[in-house]
Amino acid sequence: EVQLVESGGGLVQPGGSLRLSCAASGFTFSSYWMHWVRQAPGKGLVWVSRINTDGSSTTYADSVKGRFTISRDNAKNTLYLQMNSLRAEDTAVYYCVKARDVDYWGQGTLVTVSS
Amino acid sequence: DIQMTQSPSSLSASVGDRVTITCRASQGIANDLGWYQQKPGKAPKRLIYAASSLQSGVPSRFSGSGSGTEFTLAISSLQPEDFATYYCLQHNTYPLTFGGGTTVGIK
Repeated sequence: EVQLVESGGGLVQPGGSLRLSCAASGFTFSSYWMHWVRQAPGKGLVWVSRINTDGSSTTYADSVKGRFTISRDNAKNTLYLQMNSLRAEDTAVYYCVKARDVDYWGQGTLVTVSS
Repeated sequence: DIQMTQSPSSLSASVGDRVTITCRASQGIANDLGWYQQKPGKAPKRLIYAASSLQSGVPSRFSGSGSGTEFTLAISSLQPEDFATYYCLQHNTYPLTFGGGTTVGIK
C-alpha cells in the first residue's frame, strides 16, 4: 500500500524558514517523480513544485521560485521542501504527491506564516 | 500557463441523481487530465486518470470523458458518500494547473 507521510509543518514568522519532509513507503520511491501541492484554508489546490527521479531536474511555480527548494533522498525514501523567506500567503496545507500524473497524496502538513 | 475552467463551481443534487462536471483547458492537453475528490479535512483522492480511465477501487458510477480541451466527469447515480468537492488537474504542461473545484451538496 502506498503511504506518504508529511511532517515539519508549524507556525513560523514572516521571513522565516521551514523544511517539510515526506516519508514514502509501499512503492519504489526512486522510480517516481514527486510533487508538492498546497491548499490555503478554504481555497483550491495549487501545484508548487516537482522533482524527477534522481533529483537532477526540478520545476517551481512562479510564486515560490527562488524561495523554495525541492529535493529528495532516494536512500531514505524521503522528499523534502525547503521553504525560505516565508510570507503570509504561503499559509496552507502542503501535500506530498506521487508520480508524474499525480496519483497518490499524503495527508498533508499545515504551515502557518504569521507574526 | 494553461487555464483550467471548471463548471459549475457548486451544485445541489439528490441521492440517485446523475451529475456532470466540466473542465475546459485554455489549450490542448491531449488526455493528460485527472479528476480528484476531496472531502473536508482530507487529502484529495484520484478518481479518473488519462481523462477516462477509472482508478482502481473507484466505483463504476464515476466516469470521465473528453480529450484536447473539453473534459467531463459524470456520476451516474449520486450516493451519500459522493457529497464532496471535485477538482480536475492537467499534467500536460508545467506549471500543472487545477480547476477551481466543484462542490456537490445535498439538495
